[in-house]
Amino acid sequence: GNSVTQMEGPVTLSEEAFLTINCTYTATGYPSLFWYVQYPGEGLQLLLKATKADDKGSNKGFEATYRKETTSFHLEKGSVQVSDSAVYFCALSDPTQSTGNQFYFGTGTSLTVIP
Amino acid sequence: NAGVMQNPRHLVRRRGQEARLRCSPMKGHSHVYWYRQLPEEGLKFMVYLQKENIIDESGMPKERFSAEFPKEGPSILRIQQVVRGDSAAYFCASSLGRSNQPQHFGDGTRLSIL
Repeated sequence: GNSVTQMEGPVTLSEEAFLTINCTYTATGYPSLFWYVQYPGEGLQLLLKATKADDKGSNKGFEATYRKETTSFHLEKGSVQVSDSAVYFCALSDPTQSTGNQFYFGTGTSLTVIP
Repeated sequence: NAGVMQNPRHLVRRRGQEARLRCSPMKGHSHVYWYRQLPEEGLKFMVYLQKENIIDESGMPKERFSAEFPKEGPSILRIQQVVRGDSAAYFCASSLGRSNQPQHFGDGTRLSIL
């Protein structure tokens, strides 16, 4: 079956620290992978995506590389800011559905960045 | 270029009443997904609909909950005879229905049961 496993939080970092949030997946087919961010009181926003092996998604200083050999899609940022405090969700989209596409989300990792 | 629109943003109901949550997908999107998020918890998938069809309702509680996405108009998530445990944020997302395309989320409806 399909599933996404995310590193448990909460994560607390000092400003300008390096961030890694681990995400691994299992999939029946060849999925597309996504990272979403949720700020307090808001819905999820797409942060970045990758649709095939070795693709690197990047946005706002965040990066994640689609690693088929390790079934991983870890999120990284070189220098976090207070404004990056949010909950981060890893997700995969299953291409094997005969109609449309089903999404599978991780449980979310809460990040707090302190000045 | 409106995104996914959910209304109301906040909904208060007394136990036993009905709650109706509406979702208008992004223009051109015909696939709609509903999720529930309890405080300090992740997203729980509820139901996946395409116009006039339910594709996957494996996350829907067996009783009191129903969803539709008619040919015309928004998708509706309906909760009958609400109980305190239904208090949560309910999010709707829409997509083009292709695996390499992301879901786009609304800002959610915060349902509070008195």
